[in-house]
Amino acid sequence: DADVTQTPRNRITKTGKRIMLECSQTKGHDRMYWYRQDPGLGLRLIYYSFDVKDINKGEISDGYSVSRQAQAKFSLSLESAIPNQTALYFCATSDLGPAGETQYFGPGTRLLVL
Amino acid sequence: GENVEQHPSTLSVQEGDSAVIKCTYSDSASNYFPWYKQELGKGPQLIIDIRSNVGEKKDQRIAVTLNKTAKHFSLHITETQPEDSAVYFCAAVIKAAGNKLTFGGGTRVLVKP
Repeated sequence: DADVTQTPRNRITKTGKRIMLECSQTKGHDRMYWYRQDPGLGLRLIYYSFDVKDINKGEISDGYSVSRQAQAKFSLSLESAIPNQTALYFCATSDLGPAGETQYFGPGTRLLVL
Repeated sequence: GENVEQHPSTLSVQEGDSAVIKCTYSDSASNYFPWYKQELGKGPQLIIDIRSNVGEKKDQRIAVTLNKTAKHFSLHITETQPEDSAVYFCAAVIKAAGNKLTFGGGTRVLVKP
């Protein structure tokens, strides 16, 4: 089974709708992240959480919110979806160790906002 | 702000040739530099990393070099094969950004048979 899972894998929604993307991990890591990848290249950080009680904004948090329901679960919500939020969304986990921070990514959720 | 810049954005090489991707970073306190490979339809996966106390690291056909003075690091892929075709991301732990990984913009590598 995959260590980091994301649901749904694909989603089509309409402008103004509220949607939630979910992420679960079995790696036992404290740190979880949500990134956005736009067509082409680039990973931009939306929100991150270093433990269950810790939530932090990334570089592009406007229009998004998150909830860390448990160590293993971190969900991303789009309160009122707009077309420029069409992108590929990745969840990642990490555990900062002495060698550095290796992030483990989920398979991604492809979101289309019409 | 603190960032990581990656070049080139696309790279096309003939099978068997070498590919080199370069990244620069701005935070002189950065001490960990991983490289990720993203295959089509998948999330990025770590392929190699280097810490600031070494200048070079190799793993079979891939190697990474680090020049802390110049604040740049590079990924070298030798004897490229079609399965090396992917998007590659460099990253650095930016202390000024709260000890978080900051990613470069990515390089799309195409290995032509």
